[in-house]
Order: sequence, then C-alpha cells, then structure tokens
Amino acid sequence: AQSVSQHNHHVILSEAASLELGCNYSYGGTVNLFWYVQYPGQHLQLLLKYFSGDPLVKGIKGFEAEFIKSKFSFNLRKPSVQWSDTAEYFCAVNQISGNTPLVFGKGTRLSVIA
Amino acid sequence: DTGVSQDPRHKITKRGQNVTFRCDPISEHNRLYWYRQTLGQGPEFLTYFQNEAQLEKSRLLSDRFSAERPKGSFSTLEIQRTEQGDSAMYLCASSSPRGPSSYNEQFFGPGTRLTVL
Repeated sequence: AQSVSQHNHHVILSEAASLELGCNYSYGGTVNLFWYVQYPGQHLQLLLKYFSGDPLVKGIKGFEAEFIKSKFSFNLRKPSVQWSDTAEYFCAVNQISGNTPLVFGKGTRLSVIA
Repeated sequence: DTGVSQDPRHKITKRGQNVTFRCDPISEHNRLYWYRQTLGQGPEFLTYFQNEAQLEKSRLLSDRFSAERPKGSFSTLEIQRTEQGDSAMYLCASSSPRGPSSYNEQFFGPGTRLTVL
C-alpha cells in the first residue's frame, strides 16, 4: 500500500528565511507527486505536481519541489518565505495511471513570523 | 463560481442521527472523490466515482456510509446512525482526464464539517 511521510509537523520561520519541507513516499510502482496547500479558512489548492520529465518542478508563488527517485522523496522548497505563506502543506501521491485516489501525508503546518 | 461546491458547509447532529452531504463537481469532470480529514491528519480517501459508477471504496467506509452519483453529476454521501468518531471534515474533489494542463489534478471543494454530539 502507498504511504506518505512528512517529517515536520510544525515549522516556524521568520520572513525571508528559506523553507524546505520533507516528503517521502512508499510505493512499489511509478507515481505522480503533488504538493497541496491549505491557507487558513480556505480549501485545498494545488501548489505543484510532478508526472514525468524534469525532476525539478516549479509551482505557484515561488515554490518548487525536487523529485529524487532513489530517495523516494519530493521535498518542497522556497528560497524566501513571506507571512502570507502561513498555511498547512500536504504532500500526496497517486498511481502513474492517473486520476486515481490521492494518498496524503499528515501535513506540515508552516507559521511565518514577521 | 465554477469550482467544486459542497453543501452544507457545517453540520451538527446528535449521535444516532442520519446525515447527508452533497457535492457538485466542476462541470464535465467525470471523476469525483470523497475524502475525510480529521484534526492533525491529511485527507484520507473514502470512495470515488467515474461518471455514475462507484469504482472503489476504502476500508474506512463502513456499512453505515453510502455514496451515490446517480446521474454522473452531483454526488451525495450519507452517514447512518452517526457516531462521535464520524466527526471530521468531509472533502469532495473532482478531476477530468482531458486537458494537458489539468490532467490528473484533483480540485477540492471547501468541505463539510460534521460535528456529532
């Protein structure tokens, strides 16, 4: 069965600090990888996704993620966070065949302080 | 607004009562998913449909839960004889196999927050 591990439960950063959130997955086959974000009071939104090709993917709002197949990892990064990045971040995977249910990690809460 | 909508947004019920939630997917999205999210956890898959066919049900979906998508458009999720452990946010998402820019992306609704007293 697929599973997703997010190592950090709660991360607190000052504005302009760099961010890296860890995500590791367990699955025997090829997967699609996603990062979703949930801002306070809002619904889940897609930040970025990886299906194939360049393992470094860029998403919205300056976020990027790198797929490292040998490490089963898909870490999320941003060079300089803003207060508005305060949110919950979820890593998710599904089967390469696509349009199948997502398996989510438990999420990482990011708090950005001024 | 052409996103996924869910109704109601909040539901408070007493233990033992039945509740029903509705999800309206993005128009022409043929896949519709139900997830449940509890505090401190990521969303967990419950069931999903392709058009009106229910393709898969999670082991989380006990026999008190039933979902339908009768005409391949909106979907309902019913919980019978609610228990306090059913308290959670119930999320609906939809996706379409068409369009390279959105292929395989699931679009989520705002959720229905259920509180069972």
